Amino acid sequence: DVKVTQSSRYLVKRTGEKVFLECVQDMDHENMFWYRQDPGLGLRLIYFSYDVKMKEKGDIPEGYSVSREKKERFSLILESASTNQTSMYLCASSRGLAGDNEQFFGPGTRLTVL
Amino acid sequence: AQTVTQSQPEMSVQEAETVTLSCTYDTSESDYYLFWYKQPPSRQMILVIRQEAYKQQNATENRFSVNFQKAAKSFSLKISDSQLGDAAMYFCASTGDSNYQLIWGAGTKLIIKP
Repeated sequence: DVKVTQSSRYLVKRTGEKVFLECVQDMDHENMFWYRQDPGLGLRLIYFSYDVKMKEKGDIPEGYSVSREKKERFSLILESASTNQTSMYLCASSRGLAGDNEQFFGPGTRLTVL
Repeated sequence: AQTVTQSQPEMSVQEAETVTLSCTYDTSESDYYLFWYKQPPSRQMILVIRQEAYKQQNATENRFSVNFQKAAKSFSLKISDSQLGDAAMYFCASTGDSNYQLIWGAGTKLIIKP
């Protein structure tokens, strides 16, 4: 059974803290994605990676960075958390090109920044 | 910019009846793919159905089918014999000009009335 796991389901942090969100997939997928999900806005892509150590900015990369040191792991980093980063964060992975392949999602991390 | 529009923030349907969720998209690509994903409450997002734009035939998966109108850039999802387990957020997505990214709609919350 394919699986994408995220390190936390719920997380509460203070403004200015450094926050790490981790995502692990066991499907040997090349591509991994970090999305932010807000009501009425759908899913917005923060960053994606198509290979180890490779990363591409998505639509809303400001205030975020990512790391992919191993194929199965993709980390999202909030260098200095702010209240406007309170959101649901979804990780996904896929094989190959977007049209040909399904994205598999993790359960999400609901982050609250106080 | 390429966009995907879901004009119905919320829909409700009586159990066992049929419901149609709307989606329109805007792409300049000649070859593209369209998707419907489902996100049940507190559960992971999963793929419902996928349509290749060059295929005339509408995709179907059991009780789920699409009405793909290429000229109108419309891609609606029909759910027949609605079940309580169909209650979820439904997201429409399209490939864009990137090989890896999807463009996502804002989502439609589907409520099933018993």
